[in-house]
Amino acid sequence: GAVVSQHPSRVICKSGTSVKIECRSLDFQATTMFWYRQFPKQSLMLMATSNEGSKATYEQGVEKDKFLINHASLTLSTLTVTSAHPEDSSFYICSAGTSGIGGTDTQYFGPGTRLTVL
Amino acid sequence: SQELEQSPQSLIVQEGKNLTINCTSSKTLYGLYWYKQKYGEGLIFLMMLQKGGEEKSHEKITAKLDEKKQQSSLHITASQPSHAGIYLCGAATNRDDKIIFGKGTRLHILP
Repeated sequence: GAVVSQHPSRVICKSGTSVKIECRSLDFQATTMFWYRQFPKQSLMLMATSNEGSKATYEQGVEKDKFLINHASLTLSTLTVTSAHPEDSSFYICSAGTSGIGGTDTQYFGPGTRLTVL
Repeated sequence: SQELEQSPQSLIVQEGKNLTINCTSSKTLYGLYWYKQKYGEGLIFLMMLQKGGEEKSHEKITAKLDEKKQQSSLHITASQPSHAGIYLCGAATNRDDKIIFGKGTRLHILP
């Protein structure tokens, strides 16, 4: 089946630094990738939708200058948390979808990245 | 904007008992998804429902989508400790749309 990987799985950084999280579709081409974040004991919240080769669409309330998303290829999307602060500590999950017959039927989730900002 | 209500938020069930989790959308859905998660880990896809009145089963878990495609229920029969976790319903209103999630249901199984 389709596999989506995320790297790193866990990262600890100092406040003020930037952190990049990668999301890769390993055996399929993902025309659309989604980024979610999850706070402890809460559900997933969609942050943004990225389409290959175009600018990401951010959900209301998500700072696009703080959470930079790049979808440079059909198999890779990156989320960069710039000038990270402790309140950015969270679990970030990406998902990759394929267009075509499957549509959102074929959206696959990565294993997530736990970010801790000290 | 689309809202997805999931209930109950938390559920404690004696092992062997049946249980039901509900998910209701304010809009007609293209697809309704059920996932299981342990916090800090990825999502485990359980099943996806698309057709009004559709019902799917996987082992002891059954999910149904109502005819209007706005409400779904997840039913676990004869619950086991392995069923414990967070159950999330997700929904998309269009074929290429993003999936919006409910707040989740924390299921605890008592031995």
